Amino acid sequence: AQTIHQWPVAEIKAVGSPLSLGCTIKGKSSPNLYWYWQATGGTLQQLFYSITVGQVESVVQLNLSASRPKDDQFILSTEKLLLSHSGFYLCAWSHTGEDTQYFGPGTRLLVL
Amino acid sequence: GDSVTQKEGLVTLTEGLPVMLNCTYQTIYSNAFLFWYVHYLNESPRLLLKSSTDNKRTEHQGFHATLHKSSSSFHLQKSSAQLSDSALYYCALSDGATGGNNKLTFGQGTVLSVIP
Repeated sequence: AQTIHQWPVAEIKAVGSPLSLGCTIKGKSSPNLYWYWQATGGTLQQLFYSITVGQVESVVQLNLSASRPKDDQFILSTEKLLLSHSGFYLCAWSHTGEDTQYFGPGTRLLVL
Repeated sequence: GDSVTQKEGLVTLTEGLPVMLNCTYQTIYSNAFLFWYVHYLNESPRLLLKSSTDNKRTEHQGFHATLHKSSSSFHLQKSSAQLSDSALYYCALSDGATGGNNKLTFGQGTVLSVIP
């Protein structure tokens, strides 16, 4: 069975500090991977997707970047956090060519 | 672009009463799929239902929904609410476009609170 992990579970960070959020999928080779973000009171919106290792496409510009250094790993990062980055970050995967996505437990980020 | 509307932010029901959570959508893609995801506190959002063909009912774990393309709707229903149904419910749309990005567009979510 496939499992998806996200780390950390929660973070409190200072404005201007760097950020790195991670996501790992086990039990599935070559998944499509996705990052979603939800601001407090907002709706989930897709930030990035990746079809293969080393290839990441940006969907929404939020001064964030993403990388896929391994087939089973998806990293979300920024050099300088903004207050507006606070929220809930979800990683998801899907089988190639399929619509159904499976979500991780998420990371709650508070930027002060 | 695509959009999904969930009118109710919060629905409070007494246990045993029927559940209906509204979801309407807009998309130009005829191959779009609709989903209901349920998000329990401290768990991952998980798939509850995926739409089938137009006007066909899909069911899972006592919940059901029917995609109606004529009204662009995919309302979630259950005949009798249980306390354990209390959660956040998202309606989401996948436009079915090719090219690798199976982007999901989410509604605002509806919190269902079932009380004794």
